[in-house]
Parts: sequence; structure tokens; C-alpha cells
Amino acid sequence: DADVTQTPRNRITKTGKRIMLECSQTKGHDRMYWYRQDPGLGLRLIYYSFDVKDINKGEISDGYSVSRQAQAKFSLSLESAIPNQTALYFCATSDLGQGEQETQYFGPGTRLLVL
Amino acid sequence: GQNIDQPTEMTATEGAIVQINCTYQTSGFNGLFWYQQHAGEAPTFLSYNVLDGLEEKGRFSSFLSRSKGYSYLLLKELQMKDSASYLCAVRDLEDTDKLIFGTGTRLQVFP
Repeated sequence: DADVTQTPRNRITKTGKRIMLECSQTKGHDRMYWYRQDPGLGLRLIYYSFDVKDINKGEISDGYSVSRQAQAKFSLSLESAIPNQTALYFCATSDLGQGEQETQYFGPGTRLLVL
Repeated sequence: GQNIDQPTEMTATEGAIVQINCTYQTSGFNGLFWYQQHAGEAPTFLSYNVLDGLEEKGRFSSFLSRSKGYSYLLLKELQMKDSASYLCAVRDLEDTDKLIFGTGTRLQVFP
């Protein structure tokens, strides 16, 4: 079984709709992240959390919100989806350790299309 | 500010050696990671450097020079399955230890 899972894997929605992307992990990591990836722009950080109830904005948090109610789950919401939020979304986790131990482990991604 | 530069695309031949460069400018430095990402899939960890020098892992090696803000990923004995994007990421000690990603280098390996 995968250590980091995301649901749904693909989603098509309409402008103005509210949608939620879910991320779950079995790695026991405290730190979780949401990124979006667009062609030519690389991975950009939306929100991150270092512990349950800890929420921090990344570089592109406008239009998004998150919830971290449990160590294993980190949800990303688009309150009112717009077409430029069409992207590939990745959840990632990491542990607090030394050096290489702090690498991030990524989920399989959610491909979102906003019409 | 924070900036990470990598070439956008590279091509190479099966069996050859290729070097993918990464230059970075960040407020602080606490390690550099290389990830491999096949099209439509998740990035996966390849290598980590925090001290100057070369780290070798099988066919892949990564080099770091902190004074020059420079790293490279060296891939030897290229295989078709090495066709992927390679992401350079720097942990910025001055920015809550987050990872700052480059835009990635898309490598195509030809027979």
C-alpha cells in the first residue's frame, strides 16, 4: 500500500464550485504540504503544516484553505474554483530529522480541471 | 530573494553520461535535494547534499559547491527509463526550512 495517498486522482469541476482534495499518510510524519504544479512553473507551495492544528501559508495560498485535524490527514479546499486553478496538485510529507531524513515524500497527485 | 535555475530541457543518448546543473540563490542554506519525476507521476527522492563535494549512489551522483551556489546531478550509463524531469530543491534555513523547487529539467534519452 502507498504511504501517501490522495483522493480524488482526477476531478473536473465548474467555476464557482467548492471542492476538497484529501491527503492521507501512513508514514507517521508530522509535516505535511500541499503543492501545485503547472507546466514551466515547477512545484509551488500552497500551504504547509508542521503539526496537528498548525497551518502556514505558502507562496500561493490565495483562493485555497486547508485543514489538519489529524496527524495523518491534510485537506485542501478550493472555496470557489476558478479556471486558473487548473493544475496538478501534490501532497507531501516529511519527518523532522537530520539531512536526508527530512526529504519529502509525495503522493500520486490530483489532476484538477476547472471549466 | 529566492531563485533556483536549471536548464529547461536536455537530450542524451542511451549509454552516455549527462550532467544537469542547478544554481541557487537563497537567504539561507540547509541542504539541496534532487528529485526525479516521470511524466504525470509524483517526484521521488534521488540524492541529498549539504556539504561540499560529491555524493555517489549507483549510476547517479550529485555534487555541491556552497560557495558558488551550484550543484549538478550526473547520470551515467543512461537508460531509456531515465527519461524524466529532474528537480533541484534547496532547503532555505531562513524561510522556516521549506523546500524551494526549481522548475525542473526535462531529460529525453534517445536510443
